Amino acid sequence: NAGVMQNPRHLVRRRGQEARLRCSPMKGHSHVYWYRQLPEEGLKFMVYLQKENIIDESGMPKERFSAEFPKEGPSILRIQQVVRGDSAAYFCASSPPLGLGNEQFFGPGTRLTVL
Amino acid sequence: AQSVTQLDSQVPVFEEAPVELRCNYSSSVSVYLFWYVQYPNQGLQLLLKYLSGSTLVKGINGFEAEFNKSQTSFHLRKPSVHISDTAEYFCAVTYLGGGYQKVTFGTGTKLQVIP
Repeated sequence: NAGVMQNPRHLVRRRGQEARLRCSPMKGHSHVYWYRQLPEEGLKFMVYLQKENIIDESGMPKERFSAEFPKEGPSILRIQQVVRGDSAAYFCASSPPLGLGNEQFFGPGTRLTVL
Repeated sequence: AQSVTQLDSQVPVFEEAPVELRCNYSSSVSVYLFWYVQYPNQGLQLLLKYLSGSTLVKGINGFEAEFNKSQTSFHLRKPSVHISDTAEYFCAVTYLGGGYQKVTFGTGTKLQVIP
């Protein structure tokens, strides 16, 4: 059973470009979470999605950031018109659909560098 | 709102010495507690979790943690560390809010094992 997959592992963008980060959850997991880890900081929750639904996006910046988890295919975190402050590691996690206390399984992350 | 405090941002310790990484949380509801480890340039991996039952929880790689409800703490311990334990450790609290499970991470503690 493959773990959570994220691609690309490293992404370099120039200011003003778009960044697309992909996350494929573990097989059988229908819940996806995105986190951002800034240098020397902990993980900050961004958004929680289930298939075709955004459940909680309270951690997402109001502008330029969006996320989706379509019925088919991976979850996508999109950052439009990137700025240097967007440089960070972005982690995706997935969990099974039911049960309190379920751990989240993390992907290896995408490290975004904005030049 | 939930919060997790990891008091020590960095902990240097000599190889084969014991270590304790501290974690305190604030919550007015029942919570579930986790410790994750992050090796350089990798995602997070679950070390152990407390859901209910015995307050002493044993995890992988010889780590254990004790849940103390009165002190709202969940400190991580290992009696004898190895060089390979050098990593960043994150305490996390999850609770049921808004109809689903929310997770709050601490800011992390970097464990540096000195040979």
